[in-house]
Amino acid sequence: AQSVTQLGSHVSVSEGALVLLRCNYSSSVPPYLFWYVQYPNQGLQLLLKYTTGATLVKGINGFEAEFKKSETSFHLTKPSAHMSDAAEYFCAVSDGNFNKFYFGSGTKLNVKP
Amino acid sequence: NAGVTQTPKFQVLKTGQSMTLQCAQDMNHEYMSWYRQDPGMGLRLIHYSVGAGITDQGEVPNGYNVSRSTTEDFPLRLLSAAPSQTSVYFCASRQPDRGLLGGYTFGSGTRLTVV
Repeated sequence: AQSVTQLGSHVSVSEGALVLLRCNYSSSVPPYLFWYVQYPNQGLQLLLKYTTGATLVKGINGFEAEFKKSETSFHLTKPSAHMSDAAEYFCAVSDGNFNKFYFGSGTKLNVKP
Repeated sequence: NAGVTQTPKFQVLKTGQSMTLQCAQDMNHEYMSWYRQDPGMGLRLIHYSVGAGITDQGEVPNGYNVSRSTTEDFPLRLLSAAPSQTSVYFCASRQPDRGLLGGYTFGSGTRLTVV
């Protein structure tokens, strides 16, 4: 079975500071991992994904994440936060055939001026 | 614009009433799904479909029915609404690419309140 744990339901950073959103997963099969972003009153948008290959993946808006199998982690980072990054972020893991995605409970990112 | 369209955007129901949440996509995606989003719980899969005529249950299917008569449409039916079904519902679709391309395309959601 697959599951995702996101540490910290709210994270607050200053504009220009490093963003680090934590995600740990549990999977009985090789995991396929995703980060999504949700802006207020909108659906989710894909930020980045890991399926196979390079463990450091780059996404949109300057975000990246590193798959660490030994730590069962897929943390999301951005070197310098921007006000427009304020949103809720969801980590997700998929089963092997991508029919079922299991989402974490989400982390709301607040960016202070 | 191409994408996933959900209607209505907002709905208030009385306990015991039934209704259908509509979802339509014009991207010829074979896979469609319904999620509910509750505070502190992320998104949970209700039902999904891998093509017309084929549906299956997700994590939280009780109280909901689906059917898939066309590729474009995937309606979600609440048979007898309960306050526990108060939530935001998202429809999502994707190409049958095993997730290698872009993951899901999400609709903008239906906010349902059951009183």
